[in-house]
Amino acid sequence: QSALTQPGAVSGSPGQSITISCSGTSSDVGGYNYVSWYQQHPGKAPKLMIYDVSNRPSGISNRFSGSKSGNTASLTISGLQAEDEADYYCSSYTSSSTLPYVFGTGTKVTVL
Amino acid sequence: QLQLQESGPGLVKASETLSLTCTVSGGSISSGSYYWGWIRQPPGKGLECIGSIYYSGNTYYNPSLKSRVTISVDTSKNQFSLKLSSVTAADTAVYYCARHRRVVAGTLNWFDPWGQGTLVTVSS
Repeated sequence: QSALTQPGAVSGSPGQSITISCSGTSSDVGGYNYVSWYQQHPGKAPKLMIYDVSNRPSGISNRFSGSKSGNTASLTISGLQAEDEADYYCSSYTSSSTLPYVFGTGTKVTVL
Repeated sequence: QLQLQESGPGLVKASETLSLTCTVSGGSISSGSYYWGWIRQPPGKGLECIGSIYYSGNTYYNPSLKSRVTISVDTSKNQFSLKLSSVTAADTAVYYCARHRRVVAGTLNWFDPWGQGTLVTVSS
């Protein structure tokens, strides 16, 4: 089961916008609208930020948005804040494994 | 609101079996819309889905761990459990349990909410 590919690190200054990519295949990201994003602060459990490509759970700031084009999904954080500094993981349903779910490799977001 | 809590030994000897239980409160584990999953995270590394179970007992396992993993459910106690046999140092990780959204049969979606996680260290 191959992990989805994310950049290792992304950084930005407060107030800026950043985008994290999540690259998969037609068997996962590209083939279905079941992409999710999680935020994880050090020592804490991951938190669901985006589901079904672009939907935000209740309570999640609208500064977080998701999209997809082909086999690549993206998470955009606008108006970057210090509290957004964390690790971010994408995930997707996959039809190519006996476990039909896969995480991305993770991206460390640093607020400069 | 729904809460999950992992419990079990924090230290396991190499070659033995790791056993953890997740207790679900604030909702029923027998909900038809969800599986219940285990995820782990080695220190400084990324997330790995170990597997998920439906209240009926149907399971999905990570192929890389399948030969060593058993996930079971006890609906009477609103709990599900993880057993990982023949552990090595590579199994040292924070283990999380979480609710796993089921879309249709065979289709799994997001995890939410998550337990706080429990660190399991494999000692030699």
